[in-house]
Amino acid sequence: NAGVMQNPRHLVRRRGQEARLRCSPMKGHSHVYWYRQLPEEGLKFMVYLQKENIIDESGMPKERFSAEFPKEGPSILRIQQVVRGDSAAYFCASSPDNTGELFFGEGSRLTVL
Amino acid sequence: SQQGEEDPQALSIQEGENATMNCSYKTSINNLQWYRQNSGRGLVHLILIRSNEREKHSGRLRVTLDTSKKSSSLLITASRAADTASYFCATEAPDAGNMLTFGGGTRLMVKP
Repeated sequence: NAGVMQNPRHLVRRRGQEARLRCSPMKGHSHVYWYRQLPEEGLKFMVYLQKENIIDESGMPKERFSAEFPKEGPSILRIQQVVRGDSAAYFCASSPDNTGELFFGEGSRLTVL
Repeated sequence: SQQGEEDPQALSIQEGENATMNCSYKTSINNLQWYRQNSGRGLVHLILIRSNEREKHSGRLRVTLDTSKKSSSLLITASRAADTASYFCATEAPDAGNMLTFGGGTRLMVKP
């Protein structure tokens, strides 16, 4: 049973470009969470999704950021018109329900030049 | 602001010694979880303690929870060099599902 798969592991973008980060949850998990980690800091919740639904996006910046979890395929975190402050590690986690242990992917590290 | 705050921010010990990390939080919780993160890697779940529990063990790990003081501690006994990592506490608030609030972490270095 493969774990949570994230890609790309590393992504470099110039200011103004778009970044797309993908996350495939563990098999049988229908709950997906995105977290952001700045260097030397803890993780900050961004968004919680189930298939085709955004359940809670209270941690998402109001502009430029969006997330989806379609019926088929991975969850996508999309950042438009990236700025240097978007440089961070973005982690996806999944769970079979909305309580208990989260299973994290290895993260996608975004660097904005 | 962060819900959980770990103390100390960094800890350096010799192999074989015990390591104790503390976490304080501000609001009521359903549970508190500890995670480990190796440099450049994802987080690995270590242990979950529910708000009605006071102590939990898992191998060389011992976690305590004091809800009256809104604090938790993680004890790693007989540490090994392979325990070198960052350790984060995370709290789940009532009705928050798995939208965890993480602390800033304790960076543990275990010297061989």
